[in-house]
Amino acid sequence: EADIYQTPRYLVIGTGKKITLECSQTMGHDKMYWYQQDPGMELHLIHYSYGVNSTEKGDLSSESTVSRIRTEHFPLTLESARPSHTSQYLCASSEYQTGADTQYFGPGTRLTVL
Amino acid sequence: ELKVEQNPLFLSMQEGKNYTIYCNYSTTSDRLYWYRQDPGKSLESLFVLLSNGAVKQEGRLMASLDTKARLSTLHITAAVHDLSATYFCAGTTQGGSEKLVFGKGTKLTVNP
Repeated sequence: EADIYQTPRYLVIGTGKKITLECSQTMGHDKMYWYQQDPGMELHLIHYSYGVNSTEKGDLSSESTVSRIRTEHFPLTLESARPSHTSQYLCASSEYQTGADTQYFGPGTRLTVL
Repeated sequence: ELKVEQNPLFLSMQEGKNYTIYCNYSTTSDRLYWYRQDPGKSLESLFVLLSNGAVKQEGRLMASLDTKARLSTLHITAAVHDLSATYFCAGTTQGGSEKLVFGKGTKLTVNP
């Protein structure tokens, strides 16, 4: 079973605030990902990392930034939150095994920006 | 650019019935994944299909892959209420990339 954690689970914050969404995994996976998912919609990749000090932007343009200083930790930061950032943010990690790179997802952070 | 389309997007069925969810993708995908998401929850991995003709089964769910048709199916046999969830398929871009491209999901409701 995957061990990937996200905090906070729910966050309601005012416009203009700086926020950091935390994601940690205890499986030693090199690859980690952040997705954005609006209610009832598909997931969109916003950032990914293939290892320490490696970060890349995903397919969906995002005003957030990420860092990967430790293998187990992949935080996402919004410098100035806006109502358009209201969404669910899902973190995932993966490791290549037996021909596949199955991603394991955390429980998500549901963000509301007022 | 890989695009993934699922249909139907909404599916309401009775317990005990069979049905199939379809996942079409636009370009070659190295692998095809199926995930389940319960309301307000995260995604749970169901199947990964690696090659043409691959078939995997778990309980009442069976997934298959036809790479020539660029089609994967998720077949539900004798549905039960516990299967109510949203099911996503996802492909990977060619070249061994681990970036997943998701379909819009199929919201399945199984009625007693």
